[in-house]
Amino acid sequence: KQEVTQIPAALSVPEGENLVLNCSFTDSAIYNLQWFRQDPGKGLTSLLLIQSSQREQTSGRLNASLDKSSGRSTLYIAASQPGDSATYLCAVPNNAGNMLTFGGGTRLMVKP
Amino acid sequence: NAGVTQTPKFQVLKTGQSMTLQCAQDMNHEYMSWYRQDPGMGLRLIHYSVGAGITDQGEVPNGYNVSRSTTEDFPLRLLSAAPSQTSVYFCASSYSGAEGANYGYTFGSGTRLTVV
Repeated sequence: KQEVTQIPAALSVPEGENLVLNCSFTDSAIYNLQWFRQDPGKGLTSLLLIQSSQREQTSGRLNASLDKSSGRSTLYIAASQPGDSATYLCAVPNNAGNMLTFGGGTRLMVKP
Repeated sequence: NAGVTQTPKFQVLKTGQSMTLQCAQDMNHEYMSWYRQDPGMGLRLIHYSVGAGITDQGEVPNGYNVSRSTTEDFPLRLLSAAPSQTSVYFCASSYSGAEGANYGYTFGSGTRLTVV
């Protein structure tokens, strides 16, 4: 059974810092890995989707990498801003693609 | 392009009442699913569908029914609400290529349900 772990569970940083969120998964036979953002009381917003054939994806100040062989993905946030404060979730689909397994999330607070 | 639309956004039910949470997507995705999110438990799959007329159970299906009569709609029914079903419910949709590769999920904004 796929297990997804995110470290750290919570992170507090001053504005402007570059930071890295970690996601690890136990079964490396994945089609892709998806990073989401969730604001308090809100839904999940997809940030980046990395297909298994890709090593990284970039969107603005966000960069996600994927190393299937080691079962790891990282989300890099450059020049963090208070508006980046949210919970970040990573998730991988099963082989059939019909369900996602989520990590527990990293709750990020960026202080002005 | 609305994506995945869930209604209602908030609902309070009394124990034993029934209700249907609505979910609709306009992206022609074949996969649709329902998750519940609880503090300390993360997101857990309730039911999913791989196409119209096809549904299956996820991790926590008890107390919930689903049907998929069209590609667009995937309602979740609570037959007899219980306090343990107090949660935030998310509907999601996805699609896959001919080779079976998945191309990512889109989530709705959620329904916050309280059962008293």
